[in-house]
Amino acid sequence: SQTIHQWPATLVQPVGSPLSLECTVEGTSNPNLYWYRQAAGRGLQLLFYSVGIGQISSEVPQNLSASRPQDRQFILSSKKLLLSDSGFYLCAWNLGQVNTEAFFGQGTRLTVV
Amino acid sequence: GENVEQHPSTLSVQEGDSAVIKCTYSDSASNYFPWYKQELGKRPQLIIDIRSNVGEKKDQRIAVTLNKTAKHFSLHITETQPEDSAVYFCAASDNDMRFGAGTRLTVKP
Repeated sequence: SQTIHQWPATLVQPVGSPLSLECTVEGTSNPNLYWYRQAAGRGLQLLFYSVGIGQISSEVPQNLSASRPQDRQFILSSKKLLLSDSGFYLCAWNLGQVNTEAFFGQGTRLTVV
Repeated sequence: GENVEQHPSTLSVQEGDSAVIKCTYSDSASNYFPWYKQELGKRPQLIIDIRSNVGEKKDQRIAVTLNKTAKHFSLHITETQPEDSAVYFCAASDNDMRFGAGTRLTVKP
């Protein structure tokens, strides 16, 4: 069966520090991968999605970036965090080429102080 | 890109009543429309979905309708129960799944 791992679950970082959140999927090949951010009491904002290795689509201009170094690995990064980067970050996957249910990771609650 | 709008942002109903949440989308290429339920502090979970070649789908107390011409789709929950209280999200996808802003549903006992 397929599983998705996202870590860490919580993170407190100072303003200006770098960020690296990692997401891996097991049990499937060539998944679509997504990064979403959910501000408190708000909706799921699509940040990045990827349909294959090295293929990243960016939805919102900001100081975040994403990379997909391996088929089932998706990384969200920042060189310098801003206060406004605080939020709940969710990684998700679904089957590539066929629109199907997206499965979410447990999420990372990031607080920038 | 796709833009998904969802209404209302909050909805309060009495136990046993029906609840309806509506969404519109902009990209005619979108062909998959899932609905997710998110309980406090947890990840979103799929509750029902519909594809563009179907107009209506039902699963026990939950139903979804889709009007492709008008680009809108709706979630209907009948005989609501307190455990239905959560945030509900609609989404539209053509390999880039985008979500609405969410509806906080409260079912009062």
